Amino acid sequence: DTEVTQTPKHLVMGMTNKKSLKCEQHMGHRAMYWYKQKAKKPPELMFVYSYEKLSINESVPSRFSPECPNSSLLNLHLHALQPEDSALYLCASSSRPGEKLFFGSGTQLSVL
Amino acid sequence: GENVEQHPSTLSVQEGDSAVIKCTYSDSASNYFPWYKQELGKGPQLIIDIRSNVGEKKDQRIAVTLNKTAKHFSLHITETQPEDSAVYFCADGHYNAGNMLTFGGGTRLMVKP
Repeated sequence: DTEVTQTPKHLVMGMTNKKSLKCEQHMGHRAMYWYKQKAKKPPELMFVYSYEKLSINESVPSRFSPECPNSSLLNLHLHALQPEDSALYLCASSSRPGEKLFFGSGTQLSVL
Repeated sequence: GENVEQHPSTLSVQEGDSAVIKCTYSDSASNYFPWYKQELGKGPQLIIDIRSNVGEKKDQRIAVTLNKTAKHFSLHITETQPEDSAVYFCADGHYNAGNMLTFGGGTRLMVKP
């Protein structure tokens, strides 16, 4: 199994809503990542979890809250988002930090 | 890596022709150079990568070359097919050192049948 699975694929939310993005991998990878990608741009790193601990937070606003319940799961909790937060949110994993990245298909988020 | 520049930003080729995308990096300590292909509505997929101890790597119609002295690396796709149409991203990093990848700006490749 070489897949990183993300749900939901699409999400529309209002600025007062609370929602969560989910990511799962069963490759035994110990590093998991959240990236944000705007149209026609490369992915931008948001958070890195290494061995289930948050190791990198790229100065992301607190309205984005990551969580790593175990080595296979990664969540991104969303609250009070702004329209400019609309983007494709990508989860990725690697066997260890800095090694080959495997991306999921992403969640296309629209904030109204 | 520190900064990765990717050219061209768009590339249109006829089916069967070759396509070349070039990236230049600035971090002399970088030793890992992957290439990702992103199709519409999907996440980036790793298609080939190279480490700094080799100058070239091939996988069927895809090859990557690395020139460490000039700090550039290139993706070569031969006998292009319509399904090669996608956005391609290069990146650099320090493999197995815990550093995160730095991505180039992307190249939209269009293969015309």
